Amino acid sequence: GEEVAQTPKHLVRGEGQKAKLYCAPIKGHSYVFWYQQVLKNEFKFLISFQNENVFDETGMPKERFSAKCLPNSPCSLEIQATKLEDSAVYFCASSQKGTGVNNSPLHFGNGTRLTVT
Amino acid sequence: RKEVEQDPGPFNVPEGATVAFNCTYSNSASQSFFWYRQDCRKEPKLLMSVYSSGNEDGRFTAQLNRASQYISLLIRDSKLSDSATYLCVPNSGYALNFGKGTSLLVTP
Repeated sequence: GEEVAQTPKHLVRGEGQKAKLYCAPIKGHSYVFWYQQVLKNEFKFLISFQNENVFDETGMPKERFSAKCLPNSPCSLEIQATKLEDSAVYFCASSQKGTGVNNSPLHFGNGTRLTVT
Repeated sequence: RKEVEQDPGPFNVPEGATVAFNCTYSNSASQSFFWYRQDCRKEPKLLMSVYSSGNEDGRFTAQLNRASQYISLLIRDSKLSDSATYLCVPNSGYALNFGKGTSLLVTP
C-alpha cells in the first residue's frame, strides 16, 4: 500500500493481559521500525527490521515485549502481561533504505493507542 | 549527552509572523537531517530533508551549520495550521532518534 497501516487504532487491556499490535509497511519498503511515545514525550525506539530479520533491537525491553516481521504478513508487536506504564501510542514506520542513508526518511503509520487499565 | 537538543517552547506567535527554531546535535558524523512535524495525537510527518547547507520549500527554510553543529528551521508568514510540534532528527545510526521537539502555537 501507499501508507503504513497500523491496527488497531485503539486497544484497551487490563493489567496482565496480552496486547498485539499490527503494522503493514509501505509496499517496497524493506525497513520497519517500532517506536513508543508516552504522553507526547520523546519517542522511544524499540526495534527495527530489515525485511523479516531483526536489524536493531537495542530499545526493546528484555521482558514481555516481542516483535516479528514474517513474509506476506503484517509485522507485529506483542506485549505479554501488560503493565500500566505500557500505556502509550505505538508508532510503526517504514523506509525504503536503512537510516544513515540519504533520502531515506521514515514514513509513519497513524499509531495504535494502547491503554492499560 | 542527548543526540539532539531542542528548546521545547512553546513558541507563541501571531499569524503572519516569522519564527525560527534551532536544534543542536552532538554527533559530528551526522550527514543529513530531517524536520518532522507532529500534530496533537497524530503521527509525525516529514516536513523537510536537509542534506547539505540547507533546503527551502515555500515558507519553510532549513539551514545546517556543521561547524557549530546546529540546524535551524525558519517559518515565514506563519499560518494557524503551522501549530504543531517540530522535531529535528539526525539521520545517523541504525534508528532515527526523535526528541521531544519544539512546540509552536500560532494565534489569530
